[in-house]
Amino acid sequence: AQSVAQPEDQVNVAEGNPLTVKCTYSVSGNPYLFWYVQYPNRGLQFLLKYITGDNLVKGSYGFEAEFNKSQTSFHLKKPSALVSDSALYFCAVRDKDSGYSTLTFGKGTMLLVSP
Amino acid sequence: DGGITQSPKYLFRKEGQNVTLSCEQNLNHDAMYWYRQDPGQGLRLIYYSQIVNDFQKGDIAEGYSVSREKKESFPLTVTSAQKNPTAFYLCASSLGQGPNTEAFFGQGTRLTVV
Repeated sequence: AQSVAQPEDQVNVAEGNPLTVKCTYSVSGNPYLFWYVQYPNRGLQFLLKYITGDNLVKGSYGFEAEFNKSQTSFHLKKPSALVSDSALYFCAVRDKDSGYSTLTFGKGTMLLVSP
Repeated sequence: DGGITQSPKYLFRKEGQNVTLSCEQNLNHDAMYWYRQDPGQGLRLIYYSQIVNDFQKGDIAEGYSVSREKKESFPLTVTSAQKNPTAFYLCASSLGQGPNTEAFFGQGTRLTVV
């Protein structure tokens, strides 16, 4: 079985400050990891993914995420937050080694960036 | 424009009625998915299809039905057996069956039972 935990329902950060949105995962094999963003009443937009190789993955809109196998984490980061980054963020995982598997999503973290 | 189109954006249903949500994609993707989103619960998988004329139940398939007669279309029917259908429904697709492929999402349909 595979699962994702996003331990924070909400993250508050001031504009210009660095932001981190946390994600931990559990898979029986090796993971493929994804981050998505959702704006109100819209679908999810893909931000970035970790497949293999460099543990630091760079994605859209200046976001990056760091894969840490020993801590089973894949935290989303951005050096300088913008008010327009305020949205709902989802982490997702697929098990690389279990044949066909669908994406399992976390419950989401609301990011609020204040001016 | 390439993408996934869900319609309608808002849908109201009376109790006891079946309704069908449309999902069309022109990305030439093999796999398609339906998710349900409720506040604080994230996304839960209803059904998915890896190929035309084949589909599999997800985690919460009870009260729902799907068909995949064409590669580009994956409609979802919410039946009267679904006890709490009010939710935001998201359709997605992905290229091939590789686990490293990301899913692309439509804009969603908000279903309300009145």
